[in-house]
Amino acid sequence: DAGVIQSPRHEVTEMGQEVTLRCKPISGHDYLFWYRQTMMRGLELLIYFNNNVPIDDSGMPEDRFSAKMPNASFSTLKIQPSEPRDSAVYFCASSLSGSLLSSYNEQFFGPGTRLTVL
Amino acid sequence: EDQVTQSPEALRLQEGESSSLNCSYTVSGLRGLFWYRQDPGKGPEFLFTLYSAGEEKEKERLKATLTKKESFLHITAPKPEDSATYLCAVPEGNYGGSQGNLIFGKGTKLSVKP
Repeated sequence: DAGVIQSPRHEVTEMGQEVTLRCKPISGHDYLFWYRQTMMRGLELLIYFNNNVPIDDSGMPEDRFSAKMPNASFSTLKIQPSEPRDSAVYFCASSLSGSLLSSYNEQFFGPGTRLTVL
Repeated sequence: EDQVTQSPEALRLQEGESSSLNCSYTVSGLRGLFWYRQDPGKGPEFLFTLYSAGEEKEKERLKATLTKKESFLHITAPKPEDSATYLCAVPEGNYGGSQGNLIFGKGTKLSVKP
């Protein structure tokens, strides 16, 4: 398997523009996670999906952020309008359900998208 | 509140100088503790999962151990290629039946000089 695929790898845009980040999870994984990583705050969960359904979006910072998962092999994270404080590295990760409620399977991360908003 | 704290923030070692990284956690109902390695410009790469106190896992020069309050990542005779940021994470407690979220520490940046 190619692993988690993200595009673009780098994005430079101007404040106020719309930005769309894309993710293809590992085939067969039923969980998909979007994270943001900054030096100050580390890795923060934005939203996660189970079987294409959003489960927890409490980490989405504002209404400017939205995420969709139209099918099991594709997800998008959109920022509209973008602001300089959105500059960060955005990661997508996927995992399988644990076989028991008491277990948790590891997440596999993509290479990330480095977003710079000028 | 579920929390993960890693120390030190940064660690500089000479090649061959063994040391340990610490990850302390507070979570209700531990469902695993995860160690990841992150190289600059890349996504975190999974290393280990530990599920119960007393458990140990090894991979090359790395050994991870787990107690009821913390985990250690021991690095024996490190080489420059071990330089990376090491992250630990635990699944959130009270997850309401779903898989839930992984809560990450801020990481330890390890530099190994030849």
